[in-house]
Amino acid sequence: EDKVVQSPLSLVVHEGDTVTLNCSYEVTNFRSLLWYKQEKKAPTFLFMLTSSGIEKKSGRLSSILDKKELFSILNITATQTGDSAVYLCAVFGNEKLTFGTGTRLTIIP
Amino acid sequence: GAGVSQSPSNKVTEKGKDVELRCDPISGHTALYWYRQRLGQGLEFLIYFQGNSAPDKSGLPSDRFSAERTGESVSTLTIQRTQQEDSAVYLCASSLDGLETQYFGPGTRLLVL
Repeated sequence: EDKVVQSPLSLVVHEGDTVTLNCSYEVTNFRSLLWYKQEKKAPTFLFMLTSSGIEKKSGRLSSILDKKELFSILNITATQTGDSAVYLCAVFGNEKLTFGTGTRLTIIP
Repeated sequence: GAGVSQSPSNKVTEKGKDVELRCDPISGHTALYWYRQRLGQGLEFLIYFQGNSAPDKSGLPSDRFSAERTGESVSTLTIQRTQQEDSAVYLCASSLDGLETQYFGPGTRLLVL
């Protein structure tokens, strides 16, 4: 059975801190790993990773994939209150996405 | 349209009634996905369409759930004889050619009383 595990489940930090969110997976026929930010109802797409060791960056967010060790991390530097959300990791394989339960990030002003 | 749209945005129904949820994917996207998210839980995959066919229905939780897609566009998810445990947000996503980047709709929040 495909599995995606995220840690920590929740994280509370002060504005300006740097955070690292973790995602490990066991998925057959792996094709890619995706990170989403979920506020309110629908997740918004952040990154798609398919190759090991290549960092993807978007502003203060960055992510990298390790296909040998089967994990990915999402880094957020200089956090802001607007970063407060649930961050979802999902892995695409076997024609479907398997999601983790997410990391709830809370940024204290 | 510019994005994936879903309707209704909210639905309150009585236990035992049937409900129909609608998803309009991004124009030109051939792949369409339905997910369910219960309160405090992660996203749960329900069904995937490639064109009008559904190669993977493994996520449908029971035979009360069915989905169809016509004309490689609109999809409807039908829940018959709703139960309280069906209460959740139902999310639809579409992607181009079944590529992995999925774009989500705003969801339908279903409450079964």
